[in-house]
Amino acid sequence: QSMLTQPPSVSAAPGQKITISCSGSSSNIGNNDVSWYQQFPGAAPKLLIYDNHKRPSGIPDRVSGSKSGTSATLGITGLQTGDEADYYCATWDSSLGAGVFGGGTKLTVL
Amino acid sequence: QLQLQESGPGLVKPSETLSLTCSVSGGSITSSSYYWGWVRQPPGKGLEWIASIFYSGSTYCTPSLKSRVTISVDTSKNQFSLRLSSVTAADTAVYSCVRIRFGVLNDYYYYYMDVWGKGTTVTVSS
Repeated sequence: QSMLTQPPSVSAAPGQKITISCSGSSSNIGNNDVSWYQQFPGAAPKLLIYDNHKRPSGIPDRVSGSKSGTSATLGITGLQTGDEADYYCATWDSSLGAGVFGGGTKLTVL
Repeated sequence: QLQLQESGPGLVKPSETLSLTCSVSGGSITSSSYYWGWVRQPPGKGLEWIASIFYSGSTYCTPSLKSRVTISVDTSKNQFSLRLSSVTAADTAVYSCVRIRFGVLNDYYYYYMDVWGKGTTVTVSS
């Protein structure tokens, strides 16, 4: 059971926008920065967002991140079929003294 | 460009110890900006953070695995390693090594994994 809660799946049509939520607590998201990862089947995860909203070089600006209180949100606009993947949030849990992941969300572009 | 490469047995017997090594190329493991760690993913399941280490030896470990995990670093070889003892079938997973940016700024921990190895599959079976 993950410390961070994500919806198991989201779906939308090409060109549309989606958001993926990540809910935690004061010991993790509430007081620490959040990162997001994209994972295609059989491949290693890739960093999409760090420090809640920052994008690494090469990540398009149609990908965004935000945080409010004990929840974080990943947004992707202008959906493409190539965005179909699993998405994970992660942060540090100060009470556990450990990193924690969300359970992952499968994005389907219909 | 920094790269990480996992190595180790793909098959481990139950109750034995899983041992993996991550080789770092294109950069130094003694960088003061990064921790180094391990993440695993059981078949069909999500990601699980295991442990991390700084080149000086400072370590963190997820509580559920703490009694079985040893993470170490060999700066002379630019490598770090994971040992997981008393394995069971539940430890079957793809194990990936990662580079981690980790620290405290304005009372907030920043923590993210910016470089990943390709991962290595470890199966626990007799």
